[in-house]
Amino acid sequence: QVQLKQSGPGLVQPSQSLSITCTVSGFSLTSYGVHWVRQSPGKGLEWLGVIWSGGSTDYNAAFISRLSISKDNSKSQVFFKMNSLQANDTAIYYCARKGGSSYLYAMDYWGQGTSVTVSS
Amino acid sequence: ENVLTQSPAIMSASPGEKVTMTCRASSSVSSSYLHWYQQKSGASPKLWIYSTSNLASGVPARFSGSGSGTSYSLTISSVEAEDAATYYCQQYSGYPYTFGGGTKLEIK
Repeated sequence: QVQLKQSGPGLVQPSQSLSITCTVSGFSLTSYGVHWVRQSPGKGLEWLGVIWSGGSTDYNAAFISRLSISKDNSKSQVFFKMNSLQANDTAIYYCARKGGSSYLYAMDYWGQGTSVTVSS
Repeated sequence: ENVLTQSPAIMSASPGEKVTMTCRASSSVSSSYLHWYQQKSGASPKLWIYSTSNLASGVPARFSGSGSGTSYSLTISSVEAEDAATYYCQQYSGYPYTFGGGTKLEIK
């Protein structure tokens, strides 16, 4: 079955970077894109960016200067990195699969989330 | 950015009641690109209704969706206790993808 499992730190120091790995199973990264979304009490659900099956990326303009998404198809892993974190980046970060052809621009499976606190 | 506004923010219903929640967009959205998610406390969002009116796999038939342009809605014909959750709409009409602020459904 389709699964997305996230791994990453729960605590990040201010001005440091956040790295999360999303390891997928049940589908191939060469066929599906993977989105990154975060959820915070103050801003709700925010779309951060996506890496498409072909490897190209699109980012939310608000984060483009400090966000990077990459992947290793052979390892079924997607890598998320955000730089220069501040307290307002405290949130739960999710990876989510781009839906199949029937689910136009929807996200049909989600990872379990990584709860990240930015604090010294 | 296409801003989605959901109302009400919180609603309460008794089992068996019919409920409707709305999602309004600041700019028109293709009905093919308007989706709904259900999120229960402590869990990840789940795709619930896609392309305005199509139920995702496993979603009970008491749920339905409708709308067009800038106004969309999710209706539960007869609420059950298991429907307690927050429901989010999401759209794509160009980057960035955006989500509404959510409607929290409480069951009396």
